[in-house]
Amino acid sequence: SAVISQKPSRDICQRGTSLTIQCQVDSQVTMMFWYRQQPGQSLTLIATANQGSEATYESGFVIDKFPISRPNLTFSTLTVSNMSPEDSSIYLCSVEVDSGANVLTFGAGSRLTVL
Amino acid sequence: GDSVTQMEGPVTLSEEAFLTINCTYTATGYPSLFWYVQYPGEGLQLLLKATKADDKGSNKGFEATYRKETTSFHLEKGSVQVSDSAVYFCALKDSNYQLIWGAGTKLIIKP
Repeated sequence: SAVISQKPSRDICQRGTSLTIQCQVDSQVTMMFWYRQQPGQSLTLIATANQGSEATYESGFVIDKFPISRPNLTFSTLTVSNMSPEDSSIYLCSVEVDSGANVLTFGAGSRLTVL
Repeated sequence: GDSVTQMEGPVTLSEEAFLTINCTYTATGYPSLFWYVQYPGEGLQLLLKATKADDKGSNKGFEATYRKETTSFHLEKGSVQVSDSAVYFCALKDSNYQLIWGAGTKLIIKP
């Protein structure tokens, strides 16, 4: 199965600033997924990132707030822009290891706290 | 829309106790069902899955049976260990091939 490295693992940010989270996979994958895990809540899919095309965003998430890059088949970034305390969450990168079976491998997550 | 409901945590047990974490779902059609586990400081990883009614998924001593009549996929283990302490997530794959997640249940095992 794939090994995913995410960084930063955690950060404390000021309101109004932006932070970019990096996700590196040890093998080439077609799709990468970005999730948000708010305290005490379930995982919510933010967007799906395919190499060479625009990311596909889920309802309630927009590119201006969460721009995503996918420059190659092993790397992606998620930026959380103009942060507010409501953006305090764990952000997770994941990839599908068994195409069509929706079995995902996840990074350890990036825990952001916005003051 | 489709949804997954898990029992609230934390669930605290002594070592060697029997574990049940309840998971029920609402879905159209016949979803696949999953349990993922998140150990402290690590990413989520698949624990087990079942793709059709009456299937039983099993791994590492954990089991869950896909019960269509009760729309449930409860996670069980006969004798838990301290190393089982983690957060457990129930999920389903809906008709749009999207994963729908439960809120997670934190399990604490005391020696």
